[in-house]
Amino acid sequence: DAGVIQSPRHEVTEMGQEVTLRCKPISGHNSLFWYRQTMMRGLELLIYFNNNVPIDDSGMPEDRFSAKMPNASFSTLKIQPSEPRDSAVYFCASSFDTYEQYFGPGTRLTVT
Amino acid sequence: QKEVEQNSGPLSVPEGAIASLNCTYSDRGSQSFFWYRQYSGKSPELIMSIYSNGDKEDGRFTAQLNKASQYVSLLIRDSQPSDSATYLCAVLLGNFNKFYFGSGTKLNVKP
Repeated sequence: DAGVIQSPRHEVTEMGQEVTLRCKPISGHNSLFWYRQTMMRGLELLIYFNNNVPIDDSGMPEDRFSAKMPNASFSTLKIQPSEPRDSAVYFCASSFDTYEQYFGPGTRLTVT
Repeated sequence: QKEVEQNSGPLSVPEGAIASLNCTYSDRGSQSFFWYRQYSGKSPELIMSIYSNGDKEDGRFTAQLNKASQYVSLLIRDSQPSDSATYLCAVLLGNFNKFYFGSGTKLNVKP
């Protein structure tokens, strides 16, 4: 079975532009997580969904960030407008319930 | 106090030795514990999960959980240079379904 799929793998954009990151979880998993990783702050949980419903979005840094999960096989994380401090690696992970999570390859975002 | 704490390292061990990685957590309500390995430039990879007190062995890896003392550890026997990576401890708080990662311990295994 394919693992978690993320796209794009790399994204370079200018400050103020909208950025959309995409994730396809492992088939059969009902929980999906979005993380951000930087050297300074480590791995931070942004939001997680269970059965397509957002359960905890307390990690979303501010209103510029939004996430959706319209169905069990697709989720997006959107940043609008983007800022240089949003530069990081964004990971998507999925699991059955909230147990063992499997991570995607990540999206490296650079905002100039 | 952070929810999950790890020594950032680096921890250096010679090839063939036992590497011991430790993690402490703050919430006694924590139910589930995980160890991930992350190579530089790659995503975290699940190594082991442990849910009850005691030891759990999987090949060269042993996870140890002590809920009374609120720590979880990972032992790597017969360490290999390919084990050189950052090891992340993760904890799930049972009551709130909140998931926290430690900042990771960098392990260097010297040939």
